[in-house]
Amino acid sequence: DAKTTQPPSMDCAEGRAANLPCNHSTISGNEYVYWYRQIHSQGPQYIIHGLKNNETNEMASLIITEDRKSSTLILPHATLRDTAVYYCIVRVEAGANNLFFGTGTRLTVIP
Amino acid sequence: EAEVAQSPRYKITEKSQAVAFWCDPISGHATLYWYRQILGQGPELLVQFQDESVVDDSQLPKDRFSAERLKGVDSTLKIQPAELGDSAMYLCASSSERGRANTGELFFGEGSRLTVL
Repeated sequence: DAKTTQPPSMDCAEGRAANLPCNHSTISGNEYVYWYRQIHSQGPQYIIHGLKNNETNEMASLIITEDRKSSTLILPHATLRDTAVYYCIVRVEAGANNLFFGTGTRLTVIP
Repeated sequence: EAEVAQSPRYKITEKSQAVAFWCDPISGHATLYWYRQILGQGPELLVQFQDESVVDDSQLPKDRFSAERLKGVDSTLKIQPAELGDSAMYLCASSSERGRANTGELFFGEGSRLTVL
């Protein structure tokens, strides 16, 4: 699976949109982009995933560039409960491969 | 909502002692994972089961770690003897993925935090 690069930390004001970037320049055509987050002292939680189209669910939006070499996770109205480490992962969907988490981005939502 | 259950939540032990962690995945989930997370790092896979069979244990330190999922449901991860460097969070995850029929969504438990003194 391709590797990803994320900033180690970001801050966001409560109520504003949080935009978390991820670079995956070596992504293959059959690899998906996944986002998970880990709130302190809890297990990781799935957020969203996509292949090449933008995706939206009740938690977040995922914007993938046309060349698929980078993506952005958007939390539209960040709350204090969104403070967590966010992991961007690329993975072949059809298979038994595990997730390579990396070190992620620590997002701090500020009141 | 169904959850992955893990126990114990916290474990403190002395080096050279044996320790065991238990995981009960979401009912019906065929795939079970054990991850280890050292403080400040992302989780790293130790072992992956498909039903009762090991799919990947390439990162499991087999001289001291063992894992089993005898009936393809719950699983136990054992460390014997524990070393200082084993202090970490041990996370269990499950998914319904089986071969091509998967979405890549893993459901994690809250983890078992091990401290080796």
